[in-house]
Amino acid sequence: DQQVKQNSPSLSVQEGRISILNCDYTNSMFDYFLWYKKYPAEGPTFLISISSIKDKNEDGRFTVFLNKSAKHLSLHIVPSQPGDSAVYFCAARLDDKIIFGKGTRLHILP
Amino acid sequence: DTGVSQDPRHKITKRGQNVTFRCDPISEHNRLYWYRQTLGQGPEFLTYFQNEAQLEKSRLLSDRFSAERPKGSFSTLEIQRTEQGDSAMYLCASSLILHEQYFGPGTRLTVT
Repeated sequence: DQQVKQNSPSLSVQEGRISILNCDYTNSMFDYFLWYKKYPAEGPTFLISISSIKDKNEDGRFTVFLNKSAKHLSLHIVPSQPGDSAVYFCAARLDDKIIFGKGTRLHILP
Repeated sequence: DTGVSQDPRHKITKRGQNVTFRCDPISEHNRLYWYRQTLGQGPEFLTYFQNEAQLEKSRLLSDRFSAERPKGSFSTLEIQRTEQGDSAMYLCASSLILHEQYFGPGTRLTVT
């Protein structure tokens, strides 16, 4: 039973445009949501997080939006750059555990 | 480099053999996590330490798996009598703030 769902396995975006990665969750007890980025042959790298009591968190080119009523969050990257090409994992915290989605592979096109 | 390190990076073993992986966390981090990642999936939680105490184990962690963190610093994950289904990337992460986990590069295990 997937509690964190990333329904798009891949996404292609033109360089300079906005990348929007989406994530849905089922458990209303999650208290933190996170995004991780992963390059091949490396472990995931923490990108940005948001508390369940907030609806937006921004860090440079990265903004995460949380819609609790819809149990949906999204990561916006603007402008997209070639180095953003990677797999992005949505994750959520429950007690001491972090539960990850399956990931979305983002391709930034020149 | 003060990040999380894992050793070895790759391990090929025959079915039935025992393997042991090591993780060295970021030095000031008191929490250490083990995850397993298979192709097309996100990391799946296996177990978690706070200092030397193992606080939680996933149902994924069968009796053939054991993890230790003897002095609250590095940790080892041992798999006994490996099976082909154990083939995966084993990731270690450490944290000081609960939700900000820093991952190592992983150990890729192939069981033939």
